[in-house]
Amino acid sequence: AQKITQTQPGMFVQEKEAVTLDCTYDTSDQSYGLFWYKQPSSGEMIFLIYQGSYDEQNATEGRYSLNFQKARKSANLVISASQLGDSAMYFCAMREFFTGANSKLTFGKGITLSVRP
Amino acid sequence: DTEVTQTPKHLVMGMTNKKSLKCEQHMGHRAMYWYKQKAKKPPELMFVYSYEKLSINESVPSRFSPECPNSSLLNLHLHALQPEDSALYLCASSQEPSGGSPYTDTQYFGPGTRLTVL
Repeated sequence: AQKITQTQPGMFVQEKEAVTLDCTYDTSDQSYGLFWYKQPSSGEMIFLIYQGSYDEQNATEGRYSLNFQKARKSANLVISASQLGDSAMYFCAMREFFTGANSKLTFGKGITLSVRP
Repeated sequence: DTEVTQTPKHLVMGMTNKKSLKCEQHMGHRAMYWYKQKAKKPPELMFVYSYEKLSINESVPSRFSPECPNSSLLNLHLHALQPEDSALYLCASSQEPSGGSPYTDTQYFGPGTRLTVL
């Protein structure tokens, strides 16, 4: 079963508008972390934002915010005031807790965002 | 400073060649990772080193051989690769806090090496 689901096809947004990128996850753990990464065409994976399962407040980092709805198991990324440089692939990822060896980062399939001038 | 560096940026090699990819971080992180990524797909974990010891090998073929000479350096030695091994190879590092909450541990990625196997 997929642990991270990103089902939106390519997304388009007008410059300066806000856009929401959807992410749902599946875990039976109580302790987990959710991450969003941005990957421009250059290839580098850029960490954007983190939300812990116990965090009561939605995470925010500049123009990025995470709409965390724990009961619905969703962690949508909101980008405000889109810029042309936001055009990239965006990956949602989850890290679950277990004792012993490192916990793995599980990625969704990604969403391509294109910002129109 | 959340910088992870990787060299080379691009690599073209024949199936009989031996080459190495290099990754370096100076953030004091104790975990380092190798991922393989095909175009328009998510990264796939290959190896994890924790405190300089190999802790995860995701059943990667032996033609890929990782090495962690010290806590700042991670190498991936390549030998007798196949054309299907052509991909973007990403290195990442994370703090790997001892005890407590590994699920909060953020991975920081390098720019990647684009590998083409002819």
